[in-house]
Amino acid sequence: QKEVEQDPGPLSVPEGAIVSLNCTYSNSAFQYFMWYRQYSRKGPELLMYTYSSGNKEDGRFTAQVDKSSKYISLFIRDSQPSDSATYLCAMVEGLSNNDMRFGAGTRLTVKP
Amino acid sequence: GAGVSQTPSNKVTEKGKYVELRCDPISGHTALYWYRQSLGQGPEFLIYFQGTGAADDSGLPNDRFFAVRPEGSVSTLKIQRTERGDSAVYLCASSLGVLNTDTQYFGPGTRLTVL
Repeated sequence: QKEVEQDPGPLSVPEGAIVSLNCTYSNSAFQYFMWYRQYSRKGPELLMYTYSSGNKEDGRFTAQVDKSSKYISLFIRDSQPSDSATYLCAMVEGLSNNDMRFGAGTRLTVKP
Repeated sequence: GAGVSQTPSNKVTEKGKYVELRCDPISGHTALYWYRQSLGQGPEFLIYFQGTGAADDSGLPNDRFFAVRPEGSVSTLKIQRTERGDSAVYLCASSLGVLNTDTQYFGPGTRLTVL
């Protein structure tokens, strides 16, 4: 079993839909959680990060962490065609960022 | 300002050959990371540098892989006796420091194909 599991999709939604992207993890030592967006032929770019259980909102994006269930989510409201990309969850155990573990990524297409 | 740049963007080589992949980090970033991303997978950590020294090379798959950062800026990932299984996108990232609050900024990657 991988440390970080993520449904690879692909996921296709109409413009304006609410998108839910999810990851589960097995290592209870993970304490810092991130979501990256990766456009085709580009490197990942950080979207959001959070430390603790609960919700964090940034514009149309909400990151949710449930440490008791070892489950994290990213919600995208009012999805746009420009949101079409691969979304990667990532997490680290401690205070250092050098051992980041990524999920496989979910490929999202938002159709106009 | 300029982001992380990687050259070449694509590299096709034959099995058994030697390749070098270059990474130019964001100016002033002390930490530099190399990842490998296979098709349909997330990036997999290879090695990271704090300054000139390799602080953690535990992700390098075997001794055919080696990386240097002699002046604490540009880094080169070197792969000897390439194998078809080495085909992947090699990503470089840099960050200001190594705390988990220090964002890693990724380059566009080098797509390596070993025939």
